[in-house]
Amino acid sequence: DARVTQTPRHKVTEMGQEVTMRCQPILGHNTVFWYRQTMMQGLELLAYFRNRAPLDDSGMPKDRFSAEMPDATLATLKIQPSEPRDSAVYFCASGLGQGQHNSNQPQHFGDGTRLSIL
Amino acid sequence: AQSVTQLDSQVPVFEEAPVELRCNYSSSVSVYLFWYVQYPNQGLQLLLKYLSGSTLVKGINGFEAEFNKSQTSFHLRKPSVHISDTAEYFCAVLEWGGYQKVTFGTGTKLQVIP
Repeated sequence: DARVTQTPRHKVTEMGQEVTMRCQPILGHNTVFWYRQTMMQGLELLAYFRNRAPLDDSGMPKDRFSAEMPDATLATLKIQPSEPRDSAVYFCASGLGQGQHNSNQPQHFGDGTRLSIL
Repeated sequence: AQSVTQLDSQVPVFEEAPVELRCNYSSSVSVYLFWYVQYPNQGLQLLLKYLSGSTLVKGINGFEAEFNKSQTSFHLRKPSVHISDTAEYFCAVLEWGGYQKVTFGTGTKLQVIP
């Protein structure tokens, strides 16, 4: 089965350090989502891309977070500088869609990056 | 604007008993509806989806859900649960057309008791 691959699976680092999380979407999928999951806030959409262009990043703190898709097989989410409140599980998901409209196609999730900021 | 409510944060149920996980949505237009399951230390996985047509939707692992437009509900059911069904279940809604993203509920933790 095709899968979304996220690396690293776990990351522990000290506050102030840069953190980079990577995602390889399913081959052929043109839409990539970044989510953050915490006990308090549940699942939050941070940003999503279609055909490598950002469609919406309104859920992402702009001062420290950035998301990019250098190519169709790689999406990255960076935090610089990291803070303890960024500790969470970050999920990448991929799917199919057209134009700027939403899509009824299901999202396929990776297993997440569990991030701990000390 | 679309929204989805999962009233039950936790549902304990004995093995082989039936279960229903509730989901209600709010929208001024027609919607697509989804149920996802999350096992420990994993991402969400699609259980089933309602796009159109028959209001009774069957998914994987013996789960099914019924779309009720008048009650704006999409409850998930299974006639007999197994220990392996212990997981968190998320309902999600998406309005037809437009530019909104999928909205996920806050999740319901199903605990199957041996």
